[in-house]
Amino acid sequence: GAGVSQTPSNKVTEKGKYVELRCDPISGHTALYWYRQSLGQGPEFLIYFQGTGAADDSGLPNDRFFAVRPEGSVSTLKIQRTERGDSAVYLCASSFGTLGNEQFFGPGTRLTVL
Amino acid sequence: QKEVEQDPGPLSVPEGAIVSLNCTYSNSAFQYFMWYRQYSRKGPELLMYTYSSGNKEDGRFTAQVDKSSKYISLFIRDSQPSDSATYLCASQAQGAQKLVFGQGTRLTINP
Repeated sequence: GAGVSQTPSNKVTEKGKYVELRCDPISGHTALYWYRQSLGQGPEFLIYFQGTGAADDSGLPNDRFFAVRPEGSVSTLKIQRTERGDSAVYLCASSFGTLGNEQFFGPGTRLTVL
Repeated sequence: QKEVEQDPGPLSVPEGAIVSLNCTYSNSAFQYFMWYRQYSRKGPELLMYTYSSGNKEDGRFTAQVDKSSKYISLFIRDSQPSDSATYLCASQAQGAQKLVFGQGTRLTINP
């Protein structure tokens, strides 16, 4: 079956621009997670959705970052006024249920802010 | 100090060698421990999953958790060139959903 898909695979933008990153979770998975992975580092948690609601957004670095999941399936991570420091791979994961359930990761979106 | 510490390597060993990868953690609330494998330009994929202390074996892979010393290990027996990847340890606290990852260790198995 299809895994987690993310689009675009690569995004190059200029400093100050707005970007949207999309995640399609595995069908039937109720939990969805966003992580950010900088070069040479492990993924860092950003936000977690259970259904349509953001149950934990403690990892969002500042108010330029926002994510939605309006119908409990596809999620969009939105970054306003991008900065060079936002350059990273943005990973999405989904799981069936939450604690103790495997999180399946997508291939990521590589964001480059010039 | 990061909650999960992992030596980034790189680590290079000959084919057939036993590989030992390790992490330490500082948060006593961590109860779930995982090892993920990540190939270049791919997302992490789960290799091993352990709850609390103990050992778990799956084929050539063995995961160990020692909660008394807050030490996590992954052993790979009869290593193959296809095992060349970055290995990430991750931990999860009881009642929390997020995974906390180590930095990742880049491993190369030389034919």
